[in-house]
This record gives sequence, C-alpha cells and structure tokens, in this order.
Amino acid sequence: NAGVMQNPRHLVRRRGQEARLRCSPMKGHSHVYWYRQLPEEGLKFMVYLQKENIIDESGMPKERFSAEFPKEGPSILRIQQVVRGDSAAYFCASSPQGAQDGGYTFGSGTRLTVV
Amino acid sequence: DAKTTQPPSMDCAEGRAANLPCNHSTISGNEYVYWYRQIHSQGPQYIIHGLKNNETNEMASLIITEDRKSSTLILPHATLRDTAVYYCIVRVAGGANSKLTFGKGITLSVRP
Repeated sequence: NAGVMQNPRHLVRRRGQEARLRCSPMKGHSHVYWYRQLPEEGLKFMVYLQKENIIDESGMPKERFSAEFPKEGPSILRIQQVVRGDSAAYFCASSPQGAQDGGYTFGSGTRLTVV
Repeated sequence: DAKTTQPPSMDCAEGRAANLPCNHSTISGNEYVYWYRQIHSQGPQYIIHGLKNNETNEMASLIITEDRKSSTLILPHATLRDTAVYYCIVRVAGGANSKLTFGKGITLSVRP
C-alpha cells in the first residue's frame, strides 16, 4: 500500500525555467492538496483539487502557478518562469472523500531550488 | 488567522511523557481537533484527531476538555525520534472547507 508519491524529490531550475512537480495520491484517494514550505517557515496551503476539478485555490499565487488533477495520472503543480523566491519544499497530501474519518497522508515533498 | 495557540517550544526527557498543550477557544461545534507532526525535512505526519471524546491510538493520546476550548496531546514515552514540530489544527471534516491550516506549531525537543 504505497503512500503518497512525489517526484522528483529534488529539482533544480534556473531562473525563468518551468518546474513541474508530480503527486500520485494513495490508492483510493480522490482529493489532493498542495502545500508550500519556505525555508524556516510553516506550511502554507496552496490548492485543493478533486479529480478534474479545482475546489479551492485561495492559496495559489495569482501568476505563474497552476495545478491540475486529471482523470488519469498524477496531480501536477506547475510553476512557470521560476524565480529565486519559489525555492521551497512543496508537499502534496491526499485524502479519501475529504478525510472525514481521519487525516491527510502527506508525501515526502519536492525540494525546489532555483539558481 | 490560526485558530489555535501553542507555546513555541518545550522539551522533555527521553522515556518520560510529553504533554503538548493547545488552546482553541473559538472552536465550532462541527470542528475536529487534529494533531500532526513534522520531523525535520519530512512531510507532516498525522498523529490523532478527535471531536469531543478523548482518543488514544498507538502513537499518542488526545485529551479534550469538556468545553472543547483546549486539548493536550500526550506522548506517553517520548523517544529521541519524537523530536519534531507538532501542529494542533481545528478543522471541519469533509467538504470544500476541509483544508488543514497550519500555524507555527510547538517544537518538541526530547533530550537523552
């Protein structure tokens, strides 16, 4: 029973490039959440998705960031034209049916470094 | 706009119980209390949650006061591997508002 899988674990991008972060939820989980953790800071909610739908994107920056969770395949967090301030750990979590009976399961994160 | 208040840090001796307090005086009737922890550089880990009754699992116990305005997470026999940031979160279970909002948490240091 594999947990939430995120890849890559580490990603280095030059300023101006695109970063694509992938998250495969636990089997049977249809809800995905993305969080960002800047160095020495707490976890900040970015976006909540269900299959093919964005439910809450109140934490997403207005520009350059987008997320999707297609019917087939992993959820993707896409950052266009990355800047140094995008350097952070990005965590994905999944839950079944909004996790009424328990908590989320988080992945190990993707550490993005923009040089 | 964190809805919980936790001390910034605490420590305890290895093998002793660690009692981590949390205030949530504005909790609503349909909000649960969740505890997560984050060991350095890892993803957050779910520990336990409860609505109004005390809860226990293999990791910890959760004691919620009768008025539900505060709670305590108890690690009965802390080990060095329990050193982490512990987050107390109140949340409506399910629905579009089910996201977790993390505050600053409490840093627990377990000393040998």
